[in-house]
Amino acid sequence: QQQVKQSPQSLIVQKGGISIINCAYENTAFDYFPWYQQFPGKGPALLIAIRPDVSEKKEGRFTISFNKSAKQFSLHIMDSQPGDSATYFCAASSRNQAGTALIFGKGTTLSVSS
Amino acid sequence: DAGVTQSPTHLIKTRGQQVTLRCSPISGHKSVSWYQQVLGQGPQFIFQYYEKEERGRGNFPDRFSARQFPNYSSELNVNALLLGDSALYLCASSPSPGTGSYGYTFGSGTRLTVV
Repeated sequence: QQQVKQSPQSLIVQKGGISIINCAYENTAFDYFPWYQQFPGKGPALLIAIRPDVSEKKEGRFTISFNKSAKQFSLHIMDSQPGDSATYFCAASSRNQAGTALIFGKGTTLSVSS
Repeated sequence: DAGVTQSPTHLIKTRGQQVTLRCSPISGHKSVSWYQQVLGQGPQFIFQYYEKEERGRGNFPDRFSARQFPNYSSELNVNALLLGDSALYLCASSPSPGTGSYGYTFGSGTRLTVV
């Protein structure tokens, strides 16, 4: 059972365009929603994260939009650059558990063309 | 500051063998988690350790085991290797088991190939 569904699987965006990646979750106990960026040969790196008490969080060119009632959240990358080309993963977890596991989506491969 | 250090970076093993992967967390981090990332998929949770105790276990068979040492470093052991165990094994460290504002910091992983 996949608890975090991510789309699209791949995305091609022109330099300067907006990249949008969507995720949906099922477990209402989730209360922490991070996005990770992964380059080939590297581990995932935390990009930005949000808790469900806010609907939007912005850090530089990266914005998370969160819709608690729809159980959906999305990553927007403004002014996309070739250096943003990477695989992006959404994830979710619950801090109420004794052990905290991040549940990841399957990833979106972003290519930004110059 | 050193990040999360994993060793070895690459490993080739034969089916049925056993393997041990190692992880050193960021200085001051007391929690270590292990994830398996199959090619083309997101990481899957295997274990979380905190203060040398197991705090969580994912849906993996008993062939997978781990431990954490007094210096907070950790080892992941996999016995009776199967071809399907071929993956990137990631270690993540955090100050505590809960996902606070620092989140998890992942290492670059160990690429295990089972032939």
